[in-house]
Amino acid sequence: EDKVVQSPLSLVVHEGDTVTLNCSYEVTNFRSLLWYKQEKKAPTFLFMLTSSGIEKKSGRLSSILDKKELFSILNITATQTGDSAVYLCAVAGRSAGGTSYGKLTFGQGTILTVHP
Amino acid sequence: EAQVTQNPRYLITVTGKKLTVTCSQNMNHEYMSWYRQDPGLGLRQIYYSMNVEVTDKGDVPEGYKVSRKEKRNFPLILESPSPNQTSLYFCASSFAVGQGGYEQYFGPGTRLTVT
Repeated sequence: EDKVVQSPLSLVVHEGDTVTLNCSYEVTNFRSLLWYKQEKKAPTFLFMLTSSGIEKKSGRLSSILDKKELFSILNITATQTGDSAVYLCAVAGRSAGGTSYGKLTFGQGTILTVHP
Repeated sequence: EAQVTQNPRYLITVTGKKLTVTCSQNMNHEYMSWYRQDPGLGLRQIYYSMNVEVTDKGDVPEGYKVSRKEKRNFPLILESPSPNQTSLYFCASSFAVGQGGYEQYFGPGTRLTVT
């Protein structure tokens, strides 16, 4: 059974702090790892990672994948109150007996709270 | 405006009464997927569709049915809802997964309560 575990489950920081969110996975037929941000509504896409060691960046957010150790990290520097959200990690793979890579397994999410 | 729409947004129903939650996207996306979200469990995939007439099970398909007769629509059917299907449901779509298209656009969610 595919499994994605995120840590920590919740995190409280102050504006300006740097945070690191972790995602480890056990997935057969791995295709890619994705990060989403969910505020009080639907998730929005942040990053997709398919290759080890290549950092993806978007403003103050960055992420990297280690396919050997089966984990990814999401870094947020100089946090702002607007970064407060649930951060979801998901892994894309192939369903058992399937031929396509449309199966997504999500972690439980990390609740990030940024205080002013 | 590019969007994924779901209807209804809120629904309270009784055990055993068949219901359908509709999902429609206007972005010509090949891939569509249904998720449920429960406290402490994160998002769990119910079914997904790679294209018209191509559907496959996610992690929690029991008690649900789907169909993909048209590219833009992907309805979720609960033939005999039970209280354990009370949840927040999201539909999502993206361009072809084969081309790495996992940048899913999510609908606003449907909050379902089964009594």
